[in-house]
Amino acid sequence: GAVVSQHPSWVICKSGTSVKIECRSLDFQATTMFWYRQFPKQSLMLMATSNEGSKATYEQGVEKDKFLINHASLTLSTLTVTSAHPEDSSFYICSALRAGNTGELFFGEGSRLTVL
Amino acid sequence: KNEVEQSPQNLTAQEGEFITINCSYSVGISALHWLQQHPGGGIVSLFMLSSGKKKHGRLIATINIQEKHSSLHITASHPRDSAVYICAVLRNTGNQFYFGTGTSLTVIP
Repeated sequence: GAVVSQHPSWVICKSGTSVKIECRSLDFQATTMFWYRQFPKQSLMLMATSNEGSKATYEQGVEKDKFLINHASLTLSTLTVTSAHPEDSSFYICSALRAGNTGELFFGEGSRLTVL
Repeated sequence: KNEVEQSPQNLTAQEGEFITINCSYSVGISALHWLQQHPGGGIVSLFMLSSGKKKHGRLIATINIQEKHSSLHITASHPRDSAVYICAVLRNTGNQFYFGTGTSLTVIP
């Protein structure tokens, strides 16, 4: 079956550093990938939608200069949390929409970021 | 106003009970997903629906496109069904997903 690999699964960093999270579709092409943030005991909060080869579309209230998203290929999107602060600590999840208008959506396992 | 409304928010059931979670949406869609998230974070798409009904083991999902409503049913619930269930719709214009706030299900032995 289709798999989305997200890496790293957890990361601890110092305040002020940048952290990159990768989201890869392993055996299918994904024209669109989504990035979410999830706070404890809350549902998914969509941060941005990224389409291969174009700029990401950010949801209202999400700082695009803070959360840099790159979708350079049909199988890879990256989220970079720049100049991370403790309030950026969260669970970040990606999902990939299979190319071809099938509507199939697959999720990564998530990345837990802790900023000290 | 949320494009996707889900109910109930929290649900506690005794093992063996029949469970229903509802989802209503306000936009035109090309697909609706029921997602399951266990403690620890991993999310799985249980069903993808565009019409009718699907069944997988003890899980049944239905959708009524005219009424813009979907339900997820769990028959003979089990403690391992305890998870958060999220309804997500793919809008039929552009690749835009909207998510419900989730239903936290706890099944007590």
